[in-house]
Amino acid sequence: NAGVTQTPKFRILKIGQSMTLQCTQDMNHNYMYWYRQDPGMGLKLIYYSVGAGITDKGEVPNGYNVSRSTTEDFPLRLELAAPSQTSVYFCASTTPRSASQPQHFGDGTRLSIL
Amino acid sequence: DAKTTQPTSMDCAEGRAANLPCNHSTISGNEYVYWYRQIHSQGPQYIIHGLKNNETNEMASLIITEDRKSSTLILPHATLRDTAVYYCIVRVGDTNAGKSTFGDGTTLTVKP
Repeated sequence: NAGVTQTPKFRILKIGQSMTLQCTQDMNHNYMYWYRQDPGMGLKLIYYSVGAGITDKGEVPNGYNVSRSTTEDFPLRLELAAPSQTSVYFCASTTPRSASQPQHFGDGTRLSIL
Repeated sequence: DAKTTQPTSMDCAEGRAANLPCNHSTISGNEYVYWYRQIHSQGPQYIIHGLKNNETNEMASLIITEDRKSSTLILPHATLRDTAVYYCIVRVGDTNAGKSTFGDGTTLTVKP
């Protein structure tokens, strides 16, 4: 049972480069989320989606873009990488099929911008 | 969603019960209390949740006060593997797109 899968697990980027963090889930969840976690801090919501074709900004969306063309996939795009985006990125999903369902998280992508 | 307040850190002896408190004094009547934990910067892992009644599962127990302004997560027999950051979150079920606000959590250290 794969759950939420994130790739890559680690990545080093140079300032100004771009990349896409991949997230896919096999639980048929409508709701998906991207968080970032800086050292010693809690998770901050970057973007979220309630279904294919629908995305919305979270708490810290600047410098990122997302798309949701399928239920399974929710990629996060960094267009011009900056040192402030060095962080651990987590993708999560949940379902609205019944109230109070928890979020399921991937194992994260550790990104360093140098 | 309501804010939560947790102690920054706690210690517990191995084999003893770990009691992690959480204050959520502004919780609304339709907001659930959720607990997650994060081990070694892995992805957060869901533990338990509740609305009004106390809850128990194979991992932990959740005690919610009658006025719902605070709760306690209980790990009945803590092991070294329970050392982690524990997050208490309140949110309104699956409305508001199921979004959850994570604070800084409580770092629980289980000692031999």
